[in-house]
Amino acid sequence: EVQLVESGGAVVQPGGSLRLSCDASGFTFDDYAMHWVRQAPGKGLEWISLITWDGGDTYYAASVKGRFTISRDNGKDTLYLQMNSLRTEDTAFYYCAKDFLYDAFGGFDHWGQGTLVTVSS
Amino acid sequence: DIQMTQSPSSLSASVGDRVTITCQASQDIKNYLNWYQQKPGKAPKLLIYDASNLETGVPSRFSGSGSGTEFTFTISSLQPEDFATYYCQQYDNLPPLTFGGGTKVEMK
Repeated sequence: EVQLVESGGAVVQPGGSLRLSCDASGFTFDDYAMHWVRQAPGKGLEWISLITWDGGDTYYAASVKGRFTISRDNGKDTLYLQMNSLRTEDTAFYYCAKDFLYDAFGGFDHWGQGTLVTVSS
Repeated sequence: DIQMTQSPSSLSASVGDRVTITCQASQDIKNYLNWYQQKPGKAPKLLIYDASNLETGVPSRFSGSGSGTEFTFTISSLQPEDFATYYCQQYDNLPPLTFGGGTKVEMK
């Protein structure tokens, strides 16, 4: 059974930093691209970043580019999101998600339970 | 970036009703379109991929159709567990992968 478990969500002040982790199990982690998707309370879904299966390529939404960094450790089956220069508008539930395509990327067939990041003074 | 326009943003329906949601892409995305269901406090769940393919384990009352810029998601006979919010998502041109704004299906 595929499991994705996020951690690291917290309350942080504007301008602060936070690192989220996502522990994966139940599938061959290094066969699949991985994503971070966020959802502000009461709002819709926003894709924010993806990393290819080998970590060789990363992509970001314009809203986080230059502030957030996605990475992965295939030896530990763990996905990360380093978030710097946080803004109040970054307040959201952050989900890690597994891509549903083997050796490609396009969508999300498994999701974690989400971790809440609150940016507030 | 490709914009996904989903309609309606909400609808009221009764158990047994046929429910249809549409998603329009701002440019041709072929069939690179997925549909998700999200219940309150839960992560989204993939229902349909590549516009019309049912994800494993998803009931057959859910279906999807369309290609190019116009897509439709249908629940043939609404069940009590189907009251939720539904999202479309494109992956033809990325980044970014983009979602529609969501459709909340509420009980009439």
